Amino acid sequence: QQQVKQSPQSLIVQKGGISIINCAYENTAFDYFPWYQQFPGKGPALLIAIRPDVSEKKEGRFTISFNKSAKQFSLHIMDSQPGDSATYFCAASLPMYSGGGADGLTFGKGTHLIIQP
Amino acid sequence: DVKVTQSSRYLVKRTGEKVFLECVQDMDHENMFWYRQDPGLGLRLIYFSYDVKMKEKGDIPEGYSVSREKKERFSLILESASTNQTSMYLCASSLRGRQSWEQYFGPGTRLTVT
Repeated sequence: QQQVKQSPQSLIVQKGGISIINCAYENTAFDYFPWYQQFPGKGPALLIAIRPDVSEKKEGRFTISFNKSAKQFSLHIMDSQPGDSATYFCAASLPMYSGGGADGLTFGKGTHLIIQP
Repeated sequence: DVKVTQSSRYLVKRTGEKVFLECVQDMDHENMFWYRQDPGLGLRLIYFSYDVKMKEKGDIPEGYSVSREKKERFSLILESASTNQTSMYLCASSLRGRQSWEQYFGPGTRLTVT
């Protein structure tokens, strides 16, 4: 069974600090690695995503670092703000099935991030 | 603005009842998904559909069925609700193909089975 392992389960960071969430995967067939952000009472929303042939992708204060040989990827939140407090999920996507069928994501178990003011 | 809506935010049902959870998307997406979210377990895929009347089992389909009669609507059915189905249920949709990892989620339905 495909798995994506995410750590830590919870994280407390001071305002202005760097938040780091790590994920590891087993299946080398995964071809896209998105991160989702979920605020209380809301559904998850896509935050940022990376392909395995790219080592880093940055969007504003959010950066994904990708290590293909180690089968690991991580989310860095620079200058963390209280508004970043949320649950973060890493995920991995398989290529579209050749014989029809939908394209599902395998999610990590989530990290509950709290940014203290 | 893209939107996925779910019929109820909160639902309380009794054990043994048949439960319908409805999801509608307005983005003309081919793929639709039902997940359940439980603390410490993340999001687990129950069923997905890649076209009208087409469905495939996800990781935890036992005790659930689905229906997709129209492209924009995907229903999750609990034939006989049990207390272990108390959970947050999330619907999502996406394009089919290379952008399929970009999923749009509804706000969720918190179901309590007593």
